[in-house]
Amino acid sequence: DAGVIQSPRHEVTEMGQEVTLRCKPISGHDYLFWYRQTMMRGLELLIYFNNNVPIDDSGMPEDRFSAKMPNASFSTLKIQPSEPRDSAVYFCASSPRGYGYTFGSGTRLTVV
Amino acid sequence: SQKIEQNSEALNIQEGKTATLTCNYTNYSPAYLQWYRQDPGRGPVFLLLIRENEKEKRKERLKVTFDTTLKQSLFHITASQPADSATYLCALGDGGATNKLIFGTGTLLAVQP
Repeated sequence: DAGVIQSPRHEVTEMGQEVTLRCKPISGHDYLFWYRQTMMRGLELLIYFNNNVPIDDSGMPEDRFSAKMPNASFSTLKIQPSEPRDSAVYFCASSPRGYGYTFGSGTRLTVV
Repeated sequence: SQKIEQNSEALNIQEGKTATLTCNYTNYSPAYLQWYRQDPGRGPVFLLLIRENEKEKRKERLKVTFDTTLKQSLFHITASQPADSATYLCALGDGGATNKLIFGTGTLLAVQP
C-alpha cells in the first residue's frame, strides 16, 4: 500500500486565489481527517469524514474553507479566497475506527 | 476547555539513556491515548495506543503508561539512539463513534551521540 497520498506537496499562491488540496486515503480505512499544523497552534482538526460523510466540521476556521469526499478514495479541501493567515502545513490522515492514524506527507501552503 | 500539555522545551539526553516524555491533560476523559513521532517535513507516524483500562503498554524499546487518576501519560524510550531524535506527539481520543484525536503540541527529543 502506498499509504495516504496528498497533492500537491507545496503550493504557493497569491492572496484571494482559490486553493484545492487533494487526498487519497488508504483503501479500507473508513475515517478520513484533515488537520492543519502551525508552529503557534500545533495540529488542529479541521474536519473528518466517516464512510464519506462529513461528521464534524467544527474546526473549519470560516466559510472560506470547504471539504468534500465524493467517494471512498478521494477527498478535497478547498480554500476560497485564500489569505496569508491560511499559510500552514495541511495533513490528511485515514484510519479504521479505534486505531492509529496514517498521515500523508502534507501540503505546505504559502499564501503571499 | 480541553487542554493537553507536553513539555514545550526540548529534551536533550545522552545516547543509551532512557528518555521520558510527559503528556498531561485537563477537562477530558479520554477512552484512549496515542503517541506519534514526527520528523521535520513529514507527517506524524503512529507508535502506540493505550486504552483507559490499560496501565502500561510496550513495543520494542518503547513503553507507555496511562494514569487516568493523575490525567497523565508517560512515554519512555530505553537505550535511546540518535535516530530517535524527533518530535513526539501525544493525542487523546474520546472513543465512541467519533474516532477523532486531539493532539498535544509535541516535545522535541534530541539524543546526543
